Amino acid sequence: EADIYQTPRYLVIGTGKKITLECSQTMGHDKMYWYQQDPGMELHLIHYSYGVNSTEKGDLSSESTVSRIRTEHFPLTLESARPSHTSQYLCASSPDRYGYTFGSGTRLTVV
Amino acid sequence: KNEVEQSPQNLTAQEGEFITINCSYSVGISALHWLQQHPGGGIVSLFMLSSGKKKHGRLIATINIQEKHSSLHITASHPRDSAVYICAVRSAPDKLIFGTGTRLQVFP
Repeated sequence: EADIYQTPRYLVIGTGKKITLECSQTMGHDKMYWYQQDPGMELHLIHYSYGVNSTEKGDLSSESTVSRIRTEHFPLTLESARPSHTSQYLCASSPDRYGYTFGSGTRLTVV
Repeated sequence: KNEVEQSPQNLTAQEGEFITINCSYSVGISALHWLQQHPGGGIVSLFMLSSGKKKHGRLIATINIQEKHSSLHITASHPRDSAVYICAVRSAPDKLIFGTGTRLQVFP
């Protein structure tokens, strides 16, 4: 069973809408990550957090923002969605330097 | 040149065949991960290696730190093994670098 949950699994939304992708984990991991993956391409880190009130931008520039008010919750927000934001977004968490648990992903389509 | 290279990019096999997927990397690492991604998109972590060899069921992963190379083997492949297999390395300072993946299709 999944210990890290992402919702929604699929989202089709119009240009200009505000959206929030949810990610929650029940393992008490301090480290959480958001990755973006275009079809057939590798994953790229867009945001990460090392704990509550800690957020950093990743290697790939993204117009999205994140927050970490609670350990278990790491939502990603797009204030005004555009077709260029169409992609898959994967959330992951880690207790230490080595182990990762990935979510099932959110496939976002902006029309 | 990507820091993590996988080969082959695509692989088809008949059920029962022995499969090998290779991963080479060019950076210093603290660990290497093999991940499996099914068509629905979710990722499952198969192995994390820092040395030697690990086995889980029909899956075997090896790593040679000196040669900066890892292999993932699937014995007695099955159609349910069809997925994208991704190699990812944990490099300093504490980030994952992903390969582009190997798409495996196993036919009955």
